[in-house]
Amino acid sequence: AQSVTQLGSHVSVSEGALVLLRCNYSSSVPPYLFWYVQYPNQGLQLLLKYTSAATLVKGINGFEAEFKKSETSFHLTKPSAHMSDAAEYFCAVSFSGGYNKLIFGAGTRLAVHP
Amino acid sequence: NAGVTQTPKFQVLKTGQSMTLQCAQDMNHEYMSWYRQDPGMGLRLIHYSVGAGITDQGEVPNGYNVSRSTTEDFPLRLLSAAPSQTSVYFCASSYDATNEKLFFGSGTQLSVL
Repeated sequence: AQSVTQLGSHVSVSEGALVLLRCNYSSSVPPYLFWYVQYPNQGLQLLLKYTSAATLVKGINGFEAEFKKSETSFHLTKPSAHMSDAAEYFCAVSFSGGYNKLIFGAGTRLAVHP
Repeated sequence: NAGVTQTPKFQVLKTGQSMTLQCAQDMNHEYMSWYRQDPGMGLRLIHYSVGAGITDQGEVPNGYNVSRSTTEDFPLRLLSAAPSQTSVYFCASSYDATNEKLFFGSGTQLSVL
């Protein structure tokens, strides 16, 4: 069965520090991979996606993620955290074929301290 | 641009009551879905629709009904609310079946006492 694991339910960084949010997936077929961000009291919005093109994917707000098939990982990074990055981040996976149902990870809450 | 609109934003129910969560989108998307979000569990798919008149079950469909009479609307019905249905509910839409980009509403926070 396909699944997504996000390591660390809470991550805290200082403003200006590197952000690294970890996501691993299990799948027997090539996946599509996504990162979504949720700001307080809002719905989710797409940060970036991997759909079998370039393995390094750039998203909005300076975030990027690298698909590593050998490690079954899709970690999200940002070189320098900003206070406005504080939010909850969800990794998700789906698979091609008919209606692509997304399977979401449990989420990682990012706190950014001055 | 309204996008995906959910009403109400907050609701408190007593066990056994029924209610309908409303969802409407103005992007002419064929594909719509309902998720529930629970702490430590991410989002789980309840029901989805691939077009007017066509719906199917997701991961956690029990206790919920849906219908899709128009492209724009996709209401979620709780026939007899239970405390286990206390959650935040999100409606989403997408322009194709790949779901490469989901557009989410702002959510409905439901408490069942």
